[in-house]
Amino acid sequence: DQQVKQNSPSLSVQEGRISILNCDYTNSMFDYFLWYKKYPAEGPTFLISISSIKDKNEDGRFTVFLNKSAKHLSLHIVPSQPGDSAVYFCAAPDRGSNDMRFGAGTRLTVKP
Amino acid sequence: NAGVTQTPKFQVLKTGQSMTLQCAQDMNHNSMYWYRQDPGMGLRLIYYSASEGTTDKGEVPNGYNVSRLNKREFSLRLESAAPSQTSVYFCASTERGGSYGYTFGSGTRLTVV
Repeated sequence: DQQVKQNSPSLSVQEGRISILNCDYTNSMFDYFLWYKKYPAEGPTFLISISSIKDKNEDGRFTVFLNKSAKHLSLHIVPSQPGDSAVYFCAAPDRGSNDMRFGAGTRLTVKP
Repeated sequence: NAGVTQTPKFQVLKTGQSMTLQCAQDMNHNSMYWYRQDPGMGLRLIYYSASEGTTDKGEVPNGYNVSRLNKREFSLRLESAAPSQTSVYFCASTERGGSYGYTFGSGTRLTVV
């Protein structure tokens, strides 16, 4: 039962353009969402988060948008850089099970 | 450098062998976690320890045991390895559970043949 879904396994974008990574969730009790970034042979690192009381959170080139009615969030990277090439995981804390639910990840490739 | 340290980085086991994956953090975090990452599955929680002296099962605990040795160390043991346990294992820690971002180790790539 995947409560957090990332339906696009991969995304390729040209350097300087916008990257949009999408995430859907099924559990309406989720009240906080996080994005992690993972390079090969490294562990995931926290990137940006958003509380369910907000619909947007921005940190430099990274912006996360939350649409609660659609149970959908997206991560925008503008402008995209080759160093952004990594796997991005969407995640949400499951208060009931004390677990962090992760999506399957989207591999972003930014081409020079 | 402060963070989460996992050993070993790579391991190949034969079916039925046992091994222990080690994890240590030096950030004085209370909560520690073991995840496995499989293609197309994201990260799934195996076991966690909310605080020193406590451990609880996660989503996929079968075939594993854990020990919270002290506040710094949280080990994961495979008593009798199976090919289905071939995966990349990540240890993580956080000061408080839930909303706060986890700090992950660099992972252990385990292959069971």
